[in-house]
Amino acid sequence: QQQVKQSPQSLIVQKGGISIINCAYENTAFDYFPWYQQFPGKGPALLIAIRPDVSEKKEGRFTISFNKSAKQFSLHIMDSQPGDSATYFCAAEISGNTPLVFGKGTRLSVIA
Amino acid sequence: EAGVVQSPRYKIIEKKQPVAFWCNPISGHNTLYWYLQNLGQGPELLIRYENEEAVDDSQLPKDRFSAERLKGVDSTLKIQPAELGDSAVYLCASSLERNTEAFFGQGTRLTVV
Repeated sequence: QQQVKQSPQSLIVQKGGISIINCAYENTAFDYFPWYQQFPGKGPALLIAIRPDVSEKKEGRFTISFNKSAKQFSLHIMDSQPGDSATYFCAAEISGNTPLVFGKGTRLSVIA
Repeated sequence: EAGVVQSPRYKIIEKKQPVAFWCNPISGHNTLYWYLQNLGQGPELLIRYENEEAVDDSQLPKDRFSAERLKGVDSTLKIQPAELGDSAVYLCASSLERNTEAFFGQGTRLTVV
């Protein structure tokens, strides 16, 4: 049973465009939702994270939108750049209880 | 500050042979994780340590996999004997304590032939 479902599997965006990656979860006890960025040959690195007490969090060009009732959250990358080309993973956990469970990832390619 | 250090970066072995991976977490980090990442997939937890105690190893295939974290610092993950299906990237991560940000190493890419 996949606890976190991520889409799309791959995404191609023009430079300057908006990249949107979506995740859905089943377990309503999850209370921490991070996004990780992974470049080839590297380990995942935390990009941005949100807790369910807010509906949106923005850090620079990266925004998480969170919809608790729909059990969905998404990553928006504004003004996408070629350097953003990487694989992005959503994840979820229950604080103090379970470790992170990851989605299957989205391979983003930003083309000039 | 050094990040999570893993070695080796790459390993190629024949099936049925043993293999071991080593991880040195960030200094002061009490929680250590081993994850398995198959090609095109997200990381999946194998085992989590709080200091030297394995507190979550439900996903570790104990018939062939073993792990240890002596003295609550660095850790080793062993596979014996390796199977073709074990080919994957093995990621180590650490965090200051449970449920704080996890920092990942670069991983060890294992190829079993």
